[in-house]
Amino acid sequence: SQELEQSPQSLIVQEGKNLTINCTSSKTLYGLYWYKQKYGEGLIFLMMLQKGGEEKSHEKITAKLDEKKQQSSLHITASQPSHAGIYLCGAEYSGAGSYQLTFGKGTKLSVIP
Amino acid sequence: NAGVMQNPRHLVRRRGQEARLRCSPMKGHSHVYWYRQLPEEGLKFMVYLQKENIIDESGMPKERFSAEFPKEGPSILRIQQVVRGDSAAYFCASSPGGPGWGDEQYFGPGTRLTVT
Repeated sequence: SQELEQSPQSLIVQEGKNLTINCTSSKTLYGLYWYKQKYGEGLIFLMMLQKGGEEKSHEKITAKLDEKKQQSSLHITASQPSHAGIYLCGAEYSGAGSYQLTFGKGTKLSVIP
Repeated sequence: NAGVMQNPRHLVRRRGQEARLRCSPMKGHSHVYWYRQLPEEGLKFMVYLQKENIIDESGMPKERFSAEFPKEGPSILRIQQVVRGDSAAYFCASSPGGPGWGDEQYFGPGTRLTVT
């Protein structure tokens, strides 16, 4: 089974609506990274969370880390067409040598004007 | 400060040929990571390198794939005798720190390899 599950797999929202993307790990997290990928392009770093309960915001995007549940959520407020893309969460697992990122399969977000 | 650079952006190879993918990390970054994104799958870690050293290649296929990060010049991911299953997007990332630092990894735009 997948170590890192993202949900939903895809999401279509009307411009101006709020939305949430979830990322759940089956193993203990050392750090959780959120990236955005536009189709056919590279990854853009959004945020990194390390401590349980940590919450970070950048413009209209907020990410939280629930350490007990080994889960992170990415929330977008008042979505815009520019938010469209594929959102990836990447996990850094604790333990010796477990520094390489393990990624979820991504959530494809479409925003309808 | 230029970001992570990868070239070529697109590469087409026939089965049996060699593919060489290059990655120049961000200025000041001495840690490089290679990932592969197969169609309809998530990014998978391949290898982690520092200058002149391979630190972890646990994600690399055992045969045909090799990586290096020489003292001078870019990091190179080399795929010998390519097969159709090697068709994927290959991403390079770099960070200033290494294990345990929690530094974010900055990704390049990727090289899309197509094997015909």
